[in-house]
Amino acid sequence: DAGVIQSPRHEVTEMGQEVTLRCKPISGHDYLFWYRQTMMRGLELLIYFNNNVPIDDSGMPEDRFSAKMPNASFSTLKIQPSEPRDSAVYFCASSLGEQGIVEETQYFGPGTRLLVL
Amino acid sequence: AQKITQTQPGMFVQEKEAVTLDCTYDTSDQSYGLFWYKQPSSGEMIFLIYQGSYDEQNATEGRYSLNFQKARKSANLVISASQLGDSAMYFCAMRGSIQGAQKLVFGQGTRLTINP
Repeated sequence: DAGVIQSPRHEVTEMGQEVTLRCKPISGHDYLFWYRQTMMRGLELLIYFNNNVPIDDSGMPEDRFSAKMPNASFSTLKIQPSEPRDSAVYFCASSLGEQGIVEETQYFGPGTRLLVL
Repeated sequence: AQKITQTQPGMFVQEKEAVTLDCTYDTSDQSYGLFWYKQPSSGEMIFLIYQGSYDEQNATEGRYSLNFQKARKSANLVISASQLGDSAMYFCAMRGSIQGAQKLVFGQGTRLTINP
C-alpha cells in the first residue's frame, strides 16, 4: 500500500519565484495536513483539510502561502513570492478519523526540502 | 493550549543498552493521544507508537514501549536493546479531543546516537 507521496523531494529556487509543493495522501484518508520543519521553530502545522475542505489555516505564516485540495487524492501548497526565510522541509501527512478521535495516527510523506536563494 | 516538552536535546547510548527518551505534556483535555515519531537522517517521519489517555496499560510495539504516567503528565519512550539503526531524532507529539483536535503538537525532539 502506497504511503503519502510528495513532490518534488528537493526544490531550489530564487527569491521571488513561485513554488508549488504537491501531495497525494493515502487512499481513503479523510484528513490531510501540511507541516513545516525548521531548526528554529521545529515542526509546525500550517493547515489541514477534512474531506477536501480547509478546517484550520491558522498556522499559515502569511498571505504568500496558500493551500488547496481540489479532490481527495491531491493537495498543493503554494508560496508566492518565495523568500529565503521560507527555506525548510515541508511535510504532508494524512490520517483517517472523525473529529475527536484522538488515536488516529498521522502518516507522513517523505517531505520536500525547499531552499530559497 | 497543549504543549510538549522534551528536555534532552541529545543522548548517547551504547549499542544493546536500553534508552529512555523523556516527554512531558500539558493539556486541559480529558481525552488525548500521545505519539512518538522517529526521524532518521534521511528525513522522513516514521510513526513508532501511540498511547491513549484512557489506556490502562502502557503501549508496546516490538522494542518500543511507552512509559505513561498520567498523574505526572509524562510519556517517556523506552527502546530496549538499542541498535545502530536507532540513531535518529525522536519526536513526542500529542493530540487533544476538543475542537481542532486533529492537530498534532510536537516537542522539539531528542537526537539519539547509538555508539557501537
